Amino acid sequence: AQTVTQSQPEMSVQEAETVTLSCTYDTSENNYYLFWYKQPPSRQMILVIRQEAYKQQNATENRFSVNFQKAAKSFSLKISDSQLGDTAMYFCAYAGNNRKLIWGLGTSLAVNP
Amino acid sequence: KAGVTQTPRYLIKTRGQQVTLSCSPISGHRSVSWYQQTPGQGLQFLFEYFSETQRNKGNFPGRFSGRQFSNSRSEMNVSTLELGDSALYLCASSLTGYHEQYFGPGTRLTVT
Repeated sequence: AQTVTQSQPEMSVQEAETVTLSCTYDTSENNYYLFWYKQPPSRQMILVIRQEAYKQQNATENRFSVNFQKAAKSFSLKISDSQLGDTAMYFCAYAGNNRKLIWGLGTSLAVNP
Repeated sequence: KAGVTQTPRYLIKTRGQQVTLSCSPISGHRSVSWYQQTPGQGLQFLFEYFSETQRNKGNFPGRFSGRQFSNSRSEMNVSTLELGDSALYLCASSLTGYHEQYFGPGTRLTVT
């Protein structure tokens, strides 16, 4: 069975600095998708970025980028120029052939002024 | 386009009762998935519906059930509520299920 591990339960960063959130996963599938979702306090889950496993190029979305290492089964999220609005719970998720989203337990990120 | 909507947003029920939660997906999205989110277990997949058929199911007891209507709206039902069913229930829609999922605000269920 697939698993997703986020080893950092909590992190903090100063406004305008860069922070990297870690995620590792385990799978025997070759084709799959990886996602980072953000859940601000008392607000709904928002998709931050997605990566298709067959693409070697790392996905980027404005200040958000990933470092996808397929062989190492690693999928980290880098947030550049952190903003107060980035304060949230960040979840790494995996979707394989059965389309079920398998979630990590999340990393709580606090951006400090 | 309007986002995913879920009703009600908050619900308080007593043990043994049953509850029905509703989800309206983004227009054009045919796949609806349900998740349970708790502090202890995190996010867990309940089931996915596509074109009125349950296409995937997670590891939850039969007390948890769902359905999807022809307009893609979905409902989930929990019967014989237990204290451990207290959670945030999230609904997500997707074009086909093979794309990224878009989440609703959730229904906060408290069982007393």
